[in-house]
Amino acid sequence: EAGVAQSPRYKIIEKRQSVAFWCNPISGHATLYWYQQILGQGPKLLIQFQNNGVVDDSQLPKDRFSAERLKGVDSTLKIQPAKLEDSAVYLCASRLKTLSGRTDTQYFGPGTRLTVL
Amino acid sequence: AQSVSQHNHHVILSEAASLELGCNYSYGGTVNLFWYVQYPGQHLQLLLKYFSGDPLVKGIKGFEAEFIKSKFSFNLRKPSVQWSDTAEYFCAVRPGGGADGLTFGKGTHLIIQP
Repeated sequence: EAGVAQSPRYKIIEKRQSVAFWCNPISGHATLYWYQQILGQGPKLLIQFQNNGVVDDSQLPKDRFSAERLKGVDSTLKIQPAKLEDSAVYLCASRLKTLSGRTDTQYFGPGTRLTVL
Repeated sequence: AQSVSQHNHHVILSEAASLELGCNYSYGGTVNLFWYVQYPGQHLQLLLKYFSGDPLVKGIKGFEAEFIKSKFSFNLRKPSVQWSDTAEYFCAVRPGGGADGLTFGKGTHLIIQP
């Protein structure tokens, strides 16, 4: 079974530029998450999708971050404009939402390492 | 909101030593608990998880963790570590209902010396 795919793996931009990250979850996984992992910290949830609907975006800085999952499969996360403090690894994860709802596992992709200069 | 505290940010052990990594969480309701591992150059992988039932859970590669509800703890243990256990270890919690994103601790960087 193929894992969660993310691209690009690395991105370097200057502050005030925009950037987009792409995620392709495991086939059949209805739930998709974006996390931000700043160096020396654990991942922090930014947004959760169930199919193409947003379940939780309470920690997403909506003035500069946006995300979409238009067809309920792939997702993109965008930052516009980027700030120095956005330098981090952006992780995508997916989960198969079973009838029981909650005992299945989140699988993580390799992440995109963003450096903002 | 829930939070997770991992007590040791860096741990160095020799091969065959016993390991215990501390994890405490703050949340008043039912929780699901996880340990994830990130080996050098690899992505996060699930080591083990607790949802309900026996508070002693066993995971992959000989790891186990014990949920102690009265102490809000979920410590990770392994009786004899190997060099290949060198990695970053993250404890995570998820409320038992509602949105199910994970809240992670800051991680423990474990180095095993041969």
